[in-house]
Amino acid sequence: EPEVTQTPSHQVTQMGQEVILRCVPISNHLYFYWYRQILGQKVEFLVSFYNNEISEKSEIFDDQFSVERPDGSNFTLKIRSTKLEDSAMYFCASSLAGGSSYNEQFFGPGTRLTVL
Amino acid sequence: QQPVQSPQAVILREGEDAVINCSSSKALYSVHWYRQKHGEAPVFLMILLKGGEQKGHDKISASFNEKKQQSSLYLTASQLSYSGTYFCGTENTGNQFYFGTGTSLTVIP
Repeated sequence: EPEVTQTPSHQVTQMGQEVILRCVPISNHLYFYWYRQILGQKVEFLVSFYNNEISEKSEIFDDQFSVERPDGSNFTLKIRSTKLEDSAMYFCASSLAGGSSYNEQFFGPGTRLTVL
Repeated sequence: QQPVQSPQAVILREGEDAVINCSSSKALYSVHWYRQKHGEAPVFLMILLKGGEQKGHDKISASFNEKKQQSSLYLTASQLSYSGTYFCGTENTGNQFYFGTGTSLTVIP
């Protein structure tokens, strides 16, 4: 069964460093998402991406964040200068459709980011 | 814009029923339900697209009242495997998606 994969599973970085989190969505999916979940808290929407551009983004997704689909398979989230409060689990998800269509989102296993 | 869920937490004995509610202050196009087990990614349960729609599989079902901007998830004859945190997810515009505040469900023998 196709699945969303994410690498690395755990990333430890120093405050102020740049990190890139990688995701490989399901191959025929068209919509891609990043979420974050601070330990013990709710899952928070960061950004959605469709047709090689950002479709929607939340207030969390400020200038420190960027997303890219550098090739036909990878979808990346870059955090330019990490802060302590960026420590969280980051989930990538993909769906075949978006908007108000039937768009079950398939989640990857997550990358745990720890900022020291 | 984040939908609000109630209750925040519930503990059930195996075989008991539970209802989890999700409400939004914004008009909803659809409601998703996900379950997340500790340390794992959320897993899709179902999506409701129209007001008044009801869906279910196995002993988990849901309803969506578009007018009231509410959805409810019904778990009947709960099993140990139902334990986890349940999130509703709502779309009110485009591809911006919001998860609810979450409901922790614990089923005990």
